[in-house]
Amino acid sequence: NFMLTQPHSVSESPGKTVTISCTRNSGSIANNYVQWYQQRPGSAPITVVYEDKQRPSGVPDRFSGSIDSSSNSASLTISGLKTEDEADYYCQSYDNVNWVFGGGTKLTVL
Amino acid sequence: QAQFVQSGAEVKKPGASVRLSCRASKYTFTQYTIHWVRQAPGQGLEWMGWINAGNGNTQYSQKFQGRVTITRDTSAGTVYVDIGALTSEDTAIYYCTRGVSWGQGTLVTVSS
Repeated sequence: NFMLTQPHSVSESPGKTVTISCTRNSGSIANNYVQWYQQRPGSAPITVVYEDKQRPSGVPDRFSGSIDSSSNSASLTISGLKTEDEADYYCQSYDNVNWVFGGGTKLTVL
Repeated sequence: QAQFVQSGAEVKKPGASVRLSCRASKYTFTQYTIHWVRQAPGQGLEWMGWINAGNGNTQYSQKFQGRVTITRDTSAGTVYVDIGALTSEDTAIYYCTRGVSWGQGTLVTVSS
């Protein structure tokens, strides 16, 4: 199995843009789709990006996903930050049959 | 969009077993795979396994192989996870998910 590594925490001011990275340690990031989940304190996760860059209905277009084969990483970018975006964010991919989660990134909007 | 409603909180003693349920709606149940994911207090998300709701095939994380069983009842549109030999390490919130949609979670507390 491979691992997905995320920064433990990031912070940014309201209205700014933040990018959260998710680096795969073996195998190509492009081999399997990456999903991103937002989890606010005390709530279930919700999906903000699936299949690398697709947004579920209802997720604002301030949320965008991408992959970069040169760094073997995926990224979640949130623009026009709002205080309600403060949450934990998890990336997830899979190796044919098993899901793999990143360790999660705590986003603080201050 | 798909919806999942999970069963209520459970309190179990060490060594006991627990069955959690996840009822799906607003999509064709047999067309998708459903996963179980858990989250221990203050920790990240941990994948447990999945079931193909159509043919019943399953796949488990190596960590849970032999102690966890995922089944489904197609007539009820419901997926189950059975967890045996519970320890305090199994205290967590358990989620079912189709990837794009998640259940609300079920808290399992294991305590003597």
